[in-house]
Amino acid sequence: KQEVTQIPAALSVPEGENLVLNCSFTDSAIYNLQWFRQDPGKGLTSLLLIQSSQREQTSGRLNASLDKSSGRSTLYIAASQPGDSATYLCAVRLRGDYKLSFGAGTTVTVRA
Amino acid sequence: GAGVSQTPSNKVTEKGKYVELRCDPISGHTALYWYRQSLGQGPEFLIYFQGTGAADDSGLPNDRFFAVRPEGSVSTLKIQRTERGDSAVYLCASSLTQGAGTPLHFGNGTRLTVT
Repeated sequence: KQEVTQIPAALSVPEGENLVLNCSFTDSAIYNLQWFRQDPGKGLTSLLLIQSSQREQTSGRLNASLDKSSGRSTLYIAASQPGDSATYLCAVRLRGDYKLSFGAGTTVTVRA
Repeated sequence: GAGVSQTPSNKVTEKGKYVELRCDPISGHTALYWYRQSLGQGPEFLIYFQGTGAADDSGLPNDRFFAVRPEGSVSTLKIQRTERGDSAVYLCASSLTQGAGTPLHFGNGTRLTVT
């Protein structure tokens, strides 16, 4: 069974700092990995998807890397803003499977 | 265009009652998923539909839970004889295909409270 762990569970930074969120997974036979954002009381918004054959994806201030051999992914958010405050979830899909296995998330607070 | 729509947004029911939760996926999306999220946790998989058929229902916790998608679009998650432990946010997601580069799109969920 795929286990997905996100560290830290919570993070508070002043505005302008760069954010580094970590995700680790136990089974490296992944199909893809997705990073989601979840605001309180809301559903999940897909931020970045990295396919198994890729090493990283970028969108604006967001960059996600994938290292299958070590079972790790990192989400970088540059020059954080108060609007970046949310919970960030990492989810992994294994080859031959359809479901996503989620971590418990990292709750980020960006202080103005 | 419209995203994934879930109704109701909130549902409060008494222990032992029957509930139905509805999901309208993005038009044209053939894959549909149900997940359940407890407070402070990531979502947990319940069931996956490809078209009208349930391709994987391995995440349904017991036989009180059932889901249908009769016409390959709208899906209903049905819970019989609800228990307090069923209280959670039930999330629906859809995707256009099952390709490696295809992201999942989630609805805002239905918050179910069993009293």
